[in-house]
This record gives sequence, C-alpha cells and structure tokens, in this order.
Amino acid sequence: DGGITQSPKYLFRKEGQNVTLSCEQNLNHDAMYWYRQDPGQGLRLIYYSQIVNDFQKGDIAEGYSVSREKKESFPLTVTSAQKNPTAFYLCASSIPGGADNEQFFGPGTRLTVL
Amino acid sequence: ILNVEQSPQSLHVQEGDSTNFTCSFPSSNFYALHWYRWETAKSPEALFVMTLNGDEKKKGRISATLNTKEGYSYLYIKGSQPEDSATYLCAFETVYNFNKFYFGSGTKLNVKP
Repeated sequence: DGGITQSPKYLFRKEGQNVTLSCEQNLNHDAMYWYRQDPGQGLRLIYYSQIVNDFQKGDIAEGYSVSREKKESFPLTVTSAQKNPTAFYLCASSIPGGADNEQFFGPGTRLTVL
Repeated sequence: ILNVEQSPQSLHVQEGDSTNFTCSFPSSNFYALHWYRWETAKSPEALFVMTLNGDEKKKGRISATLNTKEGYSYLYIKGSQPEDSATYLCAFETVYNFNKFYFGSGTKLNVKP
C-alpha cells in the first residue's frame, strides 16, 4: 500500500531542544516537501528536494534543516534557533514535472514546544 | 512570496444547500492551480489541477472553474452533504518554479445535517 508516513503524530519537546520529524514515502517520487501550518494561515513551504542529495530553502527555512540521503526519506530538524516551533508539519512528495504535478501528503506531525 | 487568497474563511451550510468559494492568485506567470480537500484527521487530497484559462473540471457534485486572466478560480459544491465538511485549499504554481506550490489559507466548510 503506497503512501507517505510521518511519525510521530504528536511530539512534545522542551524549549531549546532540537527535534527531528520523520517523513518516509514508498511512492518512488523524486521530489519531497516540508510545509508548516499555523492557525488561520495556509501551508508555508519550509524546504523541498527534487532529487537525492539536493534540497532548496522554501519561504520560511530559518531555524530548520533537512537532509535527503535516500529517495524515500526527507527528515526535518527543528532547531533551537526556530523562534516559534509549535505548529503542524506536513510532508509531501511528487513526481517533478509529472502529469498534473500532484503533491501527495502525509498525515502530519503536531509539534508542541513547552 | 506570492499571495494566494481564499474566501470566505469559513462557511456553514445546511445539507442540500449548494455553495461556492473563491481562490484569488496573481494573474501573471501562471502555470497551474490546484484544489485540495482536507478532512479533519486526514491528509489533504487532490481534487483538481487546472492549467488553461476557461478550464472547468467536475468530480461528482464538486466542480471548479478557472480564470487566469483575472486570477481567480471558483469551487462549487452542489447539494452539500455532511461528508463534504472539510477545509478546501487552493495552491498556485508559477512558470518559474514548477512543483513549488503557494497555498491559500483555505475555506473551512461545515455542512449541517
């Protein structure tokens, strides 16, 4: 059953700690994305990767880091430099330039920093 | 950052009502406009992708239109059902960066039985 998994669903951390959110896909998609959602706002792009070992900053990359060592995996680290890390984080994947350019989304991780 | 706006922010309708909402986006450098449905506790799911001015797409009771010259798209739901309750997101793609989506904040629809 192909799809995108994100774990955990809920995550709590103390202020000042780095935390890594997991995103795995078995859709054989080259491109992967991380979005952040805050109440009343649209999804904002944090980082994206169109191919293994390459990634680009999105609109709100400050305080975040990513890696793309494998096609299936695109973990996001929320560092202590991120001023407002409490949010809902969504991971997505797509076939770059594929038909309709549809992005497929995971179920999300809600991060709360105490 | 490109501005994509959706209105209204939320909508409450009775079962059987028809409804529509709007997505506004920059009219220049248009490549595609996507609509997603996002039900509570689920992942956003693609409804439509629209690329040509005047496009009309339909899936069951849901349809969408596109006007790229004036920069808007309408999503219509005919005869709303409680299972249509969800947040409807639109996302804009430009010719300068395929695959980079600019999302609106969504319209949250609640259909009361």
